[in-house]
Amino acid sequence: AQSVTQLGSHVSVSEGALVLLRCNYSSSVPPYLFWYVQYPNQGLQLLLKYTSAATLVKGINGFEAEFKKSETSFHLTKPSAHMSDAAEYFCAVSLLFSGGYQKVTFGTGTKLQVIP
Amino acid sequence: DAGVTQSPTHLIKTRGQQVTLRCSPKSGHDTVSWYQQALGQGPQFIFQYYEEEERQRGNFPDRFSGHQFPNYSSELNVNALLLGDSALYLCASSSISIRDRGTGNTIYFGEGSWLTVV
Repeated sequence: AQSVTQLGSHVSVSEGALVLLRCNYSSSVPPYLFWYVQYPNQGLQLLLKYTSAATLVKGINGFEAEFKKSETSFHLTKPSAHMSDAAEYFCAVSLLFSGGYQKVTFGTGTKLQVIP
Repeated sequence: DAGVTQSPTHLIKTRGQQVTLRCSPKSGHDTVSWYQQALGQGPQFIFQYYEEEERQRGNFPDRFSGHQFPNYSSELNVNALLLGDSALYLCASSSISIRDRGTGNTIYFGEGSWLTVV
């Protein structure tokens, strides 16, 4: 079984401040982890993914995430928030089955508000 | 290179009716998954199609069914609509290809179809 917990359904930061969105996962096997962003009335856009190649993963728009196995965490960070970062962010864990099929489980999402 | 395309973008149905949503995967992708995203929640996995067969299924009743065509496009059908079926339905495509196998196939999402049941 796999699951994802996102701590904080709403996060507010000032423009230029550090963004930290928390994600903890549970997986019976080494996980593949993703962060997606969803802007209002839009679909999901992939920010970054962890596939065991490196624990620190860099994504688009200046975001990065660090995989910490000991803490079962995959927190998303950005050094300086921009107004355009206001959106909802979803952490997800993927379980691969034999044959290459996969099932992705999403967290409940964190809405990021950026205050001017 | 077109991404994942879905249609229609918005629709309103009455309780008890049936609805069909359509999805064309990203070019080169052979696997289509469907997700339901209710307001204020994360996407919930409905099912996944590969080679025109349902390969994985989430915790959704049989009222939810699907189909995949030889060109990899897919349909999601929902029968006997309930008010609780109102949601954003997202289609996602990926590739069970040698290139990505074992590294976490990247899944690309469409813009979704907004279904309102009244």
